[in-house]
Amino acid sequence: DTGVSQDPRHKITKRGQNVTFRCDPISEHNRLYWYRQTLGQGPEFLTYFQNEAQLEKSRLLSDRFSAERPKGSFSTLEIQRTEQGDSAMYLCASSSYGARGRGETQYFGPGTRLLVL
Amino acid sequence: LAKTTQPISMDSYEGQEVNITCSHNNIATNDYITWYQQFPSQGPRFIIQGYKTKVTNEVASLFIPADRKSSTLSLPRVSLSDTAVYYCLVGDLGAAGNKLTFGGGTRVLVKP
Repeated sequence: DTGVSQDPRHKITKRGQNVTFRCDPISEHNRLYWYRQTLGQGPEFLTYFQNEAQLEKSRLLSDRFSAERPKGSFSTLEIQRTEQGDSAMYLCASSSYGARGRGETQYFGPGTRLLVL
Repeated sequence: LAKTTQPISMDSYEGQEVNITCSHNNIATNDYITWYQQFPSQGPRFIIQGYKTKVTNEVASLFIPADRKSSTLSLPRVSLSDTAVYYCLVGDLGAAGNKLTFGGGTRVLVKP
């Protein structure tokens, strides 16, 4: 399977604990996005990378959240001191961004469902 | 980013054609229209994308009128497994930072 993969698929943690999620994009894709989705809502943008550079962060991404993509391949999203409001599905997407005029389609992974007790 | 409006839900029966219309009155010249499908507890799955007129692939067709202020996703002969949420998105695919803005989507229920 050469699609986007995420690990773990499910995570249950207690409030105040730190959690880290991993995303492996499609191998030739240079852009990687993180989204968050709560029940009954569409995904919301959190941040994105082009290669290893983190180019934009949403206001939704509080100081407790940090994302990295150290070698321009896989990415990690860490949440420190988790709160019950962090419970959501965390989605990763990747795309191949090139010269203007070439369409960029984002392909999503299966997501990591986080439950904070 | 152009805002989209689509019906909250639609019911259909197996074997019927389902058409979901999305309004995007303030679509910009460089914007493309993209549709995703999402099943419960899964990530959105890309269905189809277009700029104008008609686009067809193995799973769906996308109809875009000349003024591009709306688009219609057509799913031919749906089956129970097509029950999902369908999202219409509009955005400039060539833009720096193509942050997808999802609305609430259309919940399609296919009945036997």
